[in-house]
Amino acid sequence: KAGVTQTPRYLIKTRGQQVTLSCSPISGHRSVSWYQQTPGQGLQFLFEYFSETQRNKGNFPGRFSGRQFSNSRSEMNVSTLELGDSALYLCASSSDGGSYGYTFGSGTRLTVV
Amino acid sequence: GNSVTQMEGPVTLSEEAFLTINCTYTATGYPSLFWYVQYPGEGLQLLLKATKADDKGSNKGFEATYRKETTSFHLEKGSVQVSDSAVYFCALRDSNYQLIWGAGTKLIIKP
Repeated sequence: KAGVTQTPRYLIKTRGQQVTLSCSPISGHRSVSWYQQTPGQGLQFLFEYFSETQRNKGNFPGRFSGRQFSNSRSEMNVSTLELGDSALYLCASSSDGGSYGYTFGSGTRLTVV
Repeated sequence: GNSVTQMEGPVTLSEEAFLTINCTYTATGYPSLFWYVQYPGEGLQLLLKATKADDKGSNKGFEATYRKETTSFHLEKGSVQVSDSAVYFCALRDSNYQLIWGAGTKLIIKP
């Protein structure tokens, strides 16, 4: 079956712009999580959605937001981009909220210039 | 709060050597534990998992045992290959559906 699909793979944006990243989970998976990966901070949790409800949110400013649709696809949005938002953004899905592991997509590489 | 500590890298080994990457955790309750692997330019792949104390996760020759008494989940492999070169992450899943990650250990295998 198809894996977790993230689009686009690469993005270059200018400071102050906003960006929307998309994630399509594995068919049947209702839980979607987002993580930010940077060389300095490592992997950090952004948020987790299950059946369109945000169940948990990490320690990121309000510029970072997300949502999940009825078909379980998820989007995350970052407004007023800063240079420090440059990172690899990873989406992960699971059927049960991750007790047995999440399947990750290949990520979206965001560069803010 | 919950945390994961893993040995710093890079770890450099010769092909066919024995591998151990240490991972210890701090958590309330009984979290699920995972090892993920990341190859250059790619996302994270689940390598193995354990969901309760004394469980042994295994995959592709890698093993790790969930040790509640020492709060550890060390990754081992008996004979590494060049293709095992990657970054390895230890992680726990907390009660709020969040993965808490170690810093990652870069493994370099020389032929």
